[in-house]
Amino acid sequence: NAGVTQTPKFQVLKTGQSMTLQCAQDMNHEYMSWYRQDPGMGLRLIHYSVGAGITDQGEVPNGYNVSRSTTEDFPLRLLSAAPSQTSVYFCASSYGGPGDGYTFGSGTRLTVV
Amino acid sequence: GENVEQHPSTLSVQEGDSAVIKCTYSDSASNYFPWYKQELGKRPQLIIDIRSNVGEKKDQRIAVTLNKTAKHFSLHITETQPEDSAVYFCAATYSGGYQKVTFGTGTKLQVIP
Repeated sequence: NAGVTQTPKFQVLKTGQSMTLQCAQDMNHEYMSWYRQDPGMGLRLIHYSVGAGITDQGEVPNGYNVSRSTTEDFPLRLLSAAPSQTSVYFCASSYGGPGDGYTFGSGTRLTVV
Repeated sequence: GENVEQHPSTLSVQEGDSAVIKCTYSDSASNYFPWYKQELGKRPQLIIDIRSNVGEKKDQRIAVTLNKTAKHFSLHITETQPEDSAVYFCAATYSGGYQKVTFGTGTKLQVIP
């Protein structure tokens, strides 16, 4: 199994550009989440999904959209990038829910200039 | 919602000494408390977890304790080694449904050889 795969690993965007961060898992996990990691602030939840077709907002959802058309994929869309969205983004998944512990992807380092 | 506080933010210990990291949570409904280790430039990885029906759990040199009454839980690392140097995150959630996972802000542990 590849586990949780995130692409790209690095990305530089100009303010106002849009892009999609990809996340795919091959472990048949129902629960998937997106986090951003900023120095001194830990991991903050952006959006999460409990299964195909079901998504919900996390702690910091503004400026981001998600969809879950399949069990395997959970892309994160930045609608109009802002410097405040410069961060490291992690996708995470678990089999039955948050009580099963997360498997994290390797992260995407995004810089918005 | 849940709020998780983690202390200290940085911790330096001599190799062979013990390290203790403490977290408090606010939601008495939380019943699953995982700990993640993140080495520099890498993804967080689950190292140990504890559920609310257990007061202590050990795995070789690491242990976690939980005090439900006081709403705090701690990570204990004994006989620390240089490879234990990393950022450690605690988290809390309710595992009975599809709840959000809330992370602490992290503790940077440095083990000095």
